[in-house]
Amino acid sequence: QVLLVQSGPDVKKPGASVKVSCKASGYRFTDYLIHWVRQAPGQGLEWLGWMNPKNGGTNYAQKFQGRVTMTRDTSMTTAYMELNRLTSDDTAVYFCARAWNTAVAGDWGQGTLVTVSS
Amino acid sequence: EIVLRQSPGTLSLSPGERATLSCRTSQSISSNYLAWFQQKPGQAPRVLIYGASTRAPGIPDRFSGTGSGTDFTLTIRRLEPEDFAVYYCQQYGYSPETFGGGTKVEVK
Repeated sequence: QVLLVQSGPDVKKPGASVKVSCKASGYRFTDYLIHWVRQAPGQGLEWLGWMNPKNGGTNYAQKFQGRVTMTRDTSMTTAYMELNRLTSDDTAVYFCARAWNTAVAGDWGQGTLVTVSS
Repeated sequence: EIVLRQSPGTLSLSPGERATLSCRTSQSISSNYLAWFQQKPGQAPRVLIYGASTRAPGIPDRFSGTGSGTDFTLTIRRLEPEDFAVYYCQQYGYSPETFGGGTKVEVK
């Protein structure tokens, strides 16, 4: 079955960078987009962008342009999301999700809590 | 950016009752790209409905989605105990993809 397993929780200081991984299994990794979505404590869902594992193409939400980088390692069937210049507002659970052929984010990772604190 | 507004913010109902959740978009969207998610505490969202009205695999038929243009609705025909959760709508046809603020369905 499809599984997306994310890296563990992380604590960063303001101004630092964080890189979250998303290990995919159970399907052909290069056939489906990977989305990244975050959720601040007690808040709703916010879309950061998607990455195409086939060619590395990306589409970032304008809010995160210049601060987010989504990459992949096809040999490891792993997607990565790196966010730079962290502030306390970036404290959130970060989810990766696989888009189905219908484009909806159908399969989700378990989430990774990133805490930004001095 | 397309803004999605969900109402009500909280819905207090009893098991067995019908739940009707609304999602309105700031501009008309293709119904092909409107989804509903359920999220329980400490869990990732789970897709219930995509393309405005198509149930995702394994989703019970008490969940149904309707709507077009700017007005969309998720209906839960008879609430089961496991249905008490937060529900989000999302449009995924236009970048940036955006979510509504959520509706919490709680036990009355």
